Amino acid sequence: EDKVVQSPLSLVVHEGDTVTLNCSYEVTNFRSLLWYKQEKKAPTFLFMLTSSGIEKKSGRLSSILDKKELFSILNITATQTGDSAVYLCAVEEYGNKLVFGAGTILRVKS
Amino acid sequence: NAGVTQTPKFQVLKTGQSMTLQCAQDMNHEYMSWYRQDPGMGLRLIHYSVGAGITDQGEVPNGYNVSRSTTEDFPLRLLSAAPSQTSVYFCASKNNRGDYEQYFGPGTRLTVT
Repeated sequence: EDKVVQSPLSLVVHEGDTVTLNCSYEVTNFRSLLWYKQEKKAPTFLFMLTSSGIEKKSGRLSSILDKKELFSILNITATQTGDSAVYLCAVEEYGNKLVFGAGTILRVKS
Repeated sequence: NAGVTQTPKFQVLKTGQSMTLQCAQDMNHEYMSWYRQDPGMGLRLIHYSVGAGITDQGEVPNGYNVSRSTTEDFPLRLLSAAPSQTSVYFCASKNNRGDYEQYFGPGTRLTVT
């Protein structure tokens, strides 16, 4: 059965800290891995990763994929209270189906 | 572009009632899908469609029907609502060609009593 596992399930940090969120997966027909941010509404897209070892960056956020070890990490540096959200990892299979992890709840305290 | 729209935003049903959740997109996306999100379980795929006239089941299809008569619309029907269907429902769409992300609608919060 296809599955995506995220860790930790939740964490609390202080503003300015750096956090690393983990995502491991076992899927049959891997096409890409996606990270989304969800703040009490629809998930908003952060990154799509298709190739191993190539880091994607957007401001203070970055992500990388390891297709050999079947995992990805999402890094957030210099965290701000606005980073508080649920971060979702999803693996897209050929055929466009997304398999989601349960998410990591991040709370950034000021 | 309005993107992906969903109606209603909130709905309360009694057990056994039926209703349709509406989803529309104006981006000419071939692929559309429905997910439900329950606490601690991420999003789970209910049904999906790769184009008008084509639908298929996802991970949790029981109790739901879909149809895709046009590219723009992908309604989700609950035939006989059950309390286990209390959830937040998200519709999503994407371009079938190339590596593009899925765009999500704002969600419908459904409560079945």
